[in-house]
Amino acid sequence: AQKVTQAQTEISVVEKEDVTLDCVYETRDTTYYLFWYKQPPSGELVFLIRRNSFDEQNEISGRYSWNFQKSTSSFNFTITASQVVDSAVYFCALVNNAGNMLTFGGGTRLMVKP
Amino acid sequence: DAGVTQSPTHLIKTRGQQVTLRCSPKSGHDTVSWYQQALGQGPQFIFQYYEEEERQRGNFPDRFSGHQFPNYSSELNVNALLLGDSALYLCASSRGQGIYNEQFFGPGTRLTVL
Repeated sequence: AQKVTQAQTEISVVEKEDVTLDCVYETRDTTYYLFWYKQPPSGELVFLIRRNSFDEQNEISGRYSWNFQKSTSSFNFTITASQVVDSAVYFCALVNNAGNMLTFGGGTRLMVKP
Repeated sequence: DAGVTQSPTHLIKTRGQQVTLRCSPKSGHDTVSWYQQALGQGPQFIFQYYEEEERQRGNFPDRFSGHQFPNYSSELNVNALLLGDSALYLCASSRGQGIYNEQFFGPGTRLTVL
């Protein structure tokens, strides 16, 4: 069985603050894939990043960065200088090695206030 | 280039009825996956269709079935509706079989069962 936990149900920040969304996962596979998706109020999930378990390099894309630590089974997501448009629900997800099991976390609702 | 489209947007049914939801994938995509997202929760994987066959399936009962057509569009059918089937149903498309591929999501169909 596999599991994804996003302990932060809701986070509220003021614009321009940095914010980190936590994701902790459990799996018995040695090879797996991790994802982050954004779900704005419109409801459509938007793909942000995919990382396979062999690639522990941190990644930066504009104001977004991801910190993958296999030793602690975490794949955290940081938004630098947050903006009101970043307000959304963010989901972390895990796919197993066989590619036949996909598990989403419960999501973190981020509210960025002006 | 049209993205993933779903119809209808909203649907209201009563317990015991049957429902069919439709999805057209993004241009160039040949794989369609379906998800159920209850209010305030993360999406749950229902199944994936590739080459007109169900390839992967999540933990959903046989009341949930689907179909993929030669043009890659797909339908999700739910029989004997229960109150607990009320949710947002999301369709996602991708290239190639496997739920570890980057998926593009549609806006969803909101199903209410009374």
